[in-house]
Amino acid sequence: AQRVTQPEKLLSVFKGAPVELKCNYSYSGSPELFWYVQYSRQRLQLLLRHISRESIKGFTADLNKGETSFHLKKPFAQEEDSAMYYCALLSGGYNKLIFGAGTRLAVHP
Amino acid sequence: EAGVTQFPSHSVIEKGQTVTLRCDPISGHDNLYWYRRVMGKEIKFLLHFVKESKQDESGMPNNRFLAERTGGTYSTLKVQPAELEDSGVYFCASSAGWTGGTDTQYFGPGTRLTVL
Repeated sequence: AQRVTQPEKLLSVFKGAPVELKCNYSYSGSPELFWYVQYSRQRLQLLLRHISRESIKGFTADLNKGETSFHLKKPFAQEEDSAMYYCALLSGGYNKLIFGAGTRLAVHP
Repeated sequence: EAGVTQFPSHSVIEKGQTVTLRCDPISGHDNLYWYRRVMGKEIKFLLHFVKESKQDESGMPNNRFLAERTGGTYSTLKVQPAELEDSGVYFCASSAGWTGGTDTQYFGPGTRLTVL
């Protein structure tokens, strides 16, 4: 079955600390993975996608097929990073996204 | 460029009533999706339109839900009659299709539905 797991509901860090938001997936074949972010009172927006291998707002995510993971990382967290983060998998053969439960990141001053 | 828009932003209705949600995709996007997040659960796929045709409606929970996309532009999602368990946030997303090796979905702000 295709599934995305985000094991942490809440991640609380201090400003300047490193951040790692965990995402594991279950999928046979080559996955298409995304990280979406929802800031307070804003819409879900794409943060990054693995195929682009880009870094947005200092965040990076590397696909590890051996560990079936796509963890989101940032070396120095900022207060404005506080938001809800969702890992999502594009279902093969279809265009539907399968979301994880989300992790709330709280960055304290 | 305007993003995906949804109307209303919030709807409060009583059990048994009918509600219609509307989504306007990004201009030129042939793909339109509906998702929802009920309390405490993940965001779940409902259905996918390509232009005016339903490509995949495997996530529609039951026949109380009816989605349409007349003319391949905006879409409506009607819930009739609404039940308590339909409460949640309904998201719409649109995409241009497979370009550059991927298909990116852009989300609307959501409609919060409360059924009393």
